Amino acid sequence: NAGVTQTPKFQVLKTGQSMTLQCAQDMNHEYMSWYRQDPGMGLRLIHYSVGAGITDQGEVPNGYNVSRSTTEDFPLRLLSAAPSQTSVYFCASSRGSGYNEQFFGPGTRLTVL
Amino acid sequence: RKEVEQDPGPFNVPEGATVAFNCTYSNSASQSFFWYRQDCRKEPKLLMSVYSSGNEDGRFTAQLNRASQYISLLIRDSKLSDSATYLCVVNIRSQDDYKLSFGAGTTVTVRA
Repeated sequence: NAGVTQTPKFQVLKTGQSMTLQCAQDMNHEYMSWYRQDPGMGLRLIHYSVGAGITDQGEVPNGYNVSRSTTEDFPLRLLSAAPSQTSVYFCASSRGSGYNEQFFGPGTRLTVL
Repeated sequence: RKEVEQDPGPFNVPEGATVAFNCTYSNSASQSFFWYRQDCRKEPKLLMSVYSSGNEDGRFTAQLNRASQYISLLIRDSKLSDSATYLCVVNIRSQDDYKLSFGAGTTVTVRA
């Protein structure tokens, strides 16, 4: 099993550009989520999904969209990138919901100029 | 007040030493508690869950104190490979569901 994969590993954007961060898992997990990690702060939940076709907002959803058309994939879209979105983004999956062990992808380091 | 607070450290200890640190949480209804380990520029990985009675996994011991709302992690006989950031994670009730709340991490550096 590859576990949770994310692409790209690194990305530089200009303010106003849009892009999609890809996330896929091959563990048949129902729950998937996106976090951002900034220095001195814990991981903050952006959006999450409890199954295909179901998504919901987390703590910091503004400026991001998600969709979950399959169990495996959970892409995160930045609509119009801003410097405040410079961060490391982690995708995670787990069985069930927030109770269980989260398996994280390797992360995407995003810089917005 | 942050939902989960940790001493950022760093804790610099020699090989073989014991190091311990705490994490406090604000929601008394929290049900589940975890320690994750994060190596530099890598993803977090589960180190251990924390049970009410306390639990050990090799050189690592986790304790939960519900009355004072903190959990602790103790590392015995530290190894160089224990150098990492340790994230405290607490399950917090949010509307109709629970979500995980992450502390900012405690950095441990073990020196030869």
